Amino acid sequence: EVQLVQSGGGLIQPGGSLRLSCVAPGFIFSGSDFNWIRQAPGKGLEWLSYINVRSETIHYADSVKGRFTVSRDNAKSSLYLQMNSLRAEDTAVYYCARDICSGRRCYYDRWGQGTLVTVSS
Amino acid sequence: DIVLTQSPDSLAVSLGERATINCKSSQNIFYSSDNDNYLAWYQQKPGQPPKLLISWASTRESGVPDRFSGSGSGTDFTLTISSLQAEDVAVYYCQQSYGSPTFGQGTKVEVK
Repeated sequence: EVQLVQSGGGLIQPGGSLRLSCVAPGFIFSGSDFNWIRQAPGKGLEWLSYINVRSETIHYADSVKGRFTVSRDNAKSSLYLQMNSLRAEDTAVYYCARDICSGRRCYYDRWGQGTLVTVSS
Repeated sequence: DIVLTQSPDSLAVSLGERATINCKSSQNIFYSSDNDNYLAWYQQKPGQPPKLLISWASTRESGVPDRFSGSGSGTDFTLTISSLQAEDVAVYYCQQSYGSPTFGQGTKVEVK
């Protein structure tokens, strides 16, 4: 069952920016750490970013460091991924996913439905 | 980064037969301080997000059928489906969280 609802994908030109959102029920969002993971068409999974409950600890994959920014608004039970300087190789389905651990990166037990980001001119 | 290599890339198994998927890590992912292997297995069906099946190498998630089991330690891990059902047709991924998280390339399981 998918309990995280994503929005914000679409077609964007190279060099452009896009912000993805992920909303979860309060009982799931509160107290949970979250991640962003993507999957290029027909390819495997790539972890991108992690943010803990109070946004004190944030990690990025090297492939997106300096271009992507993760954030969260606990009052709105919402997670975000700001993506700048997009490249063709960023084309993928992007997933938000809840981490089963607290305070460190572990595994992902709740996933959004995924949103497709296509970077093309 | 830690590289996870799954084998085989695909396999076809008759219904009711055993399916075995291997995952080899480029380095030891056993935390002695926790006495845990930082490895998970996921199932992904077409058009769906992955589903967590097993965490800590061998702990089955709630609601996952007991025909799914995980084993292994250190660098070599295995996901076993003891009796393949039609609904198990999917791509399976291993994932490590010992270091920056990485996934295996996936193994496609089909019915023979």
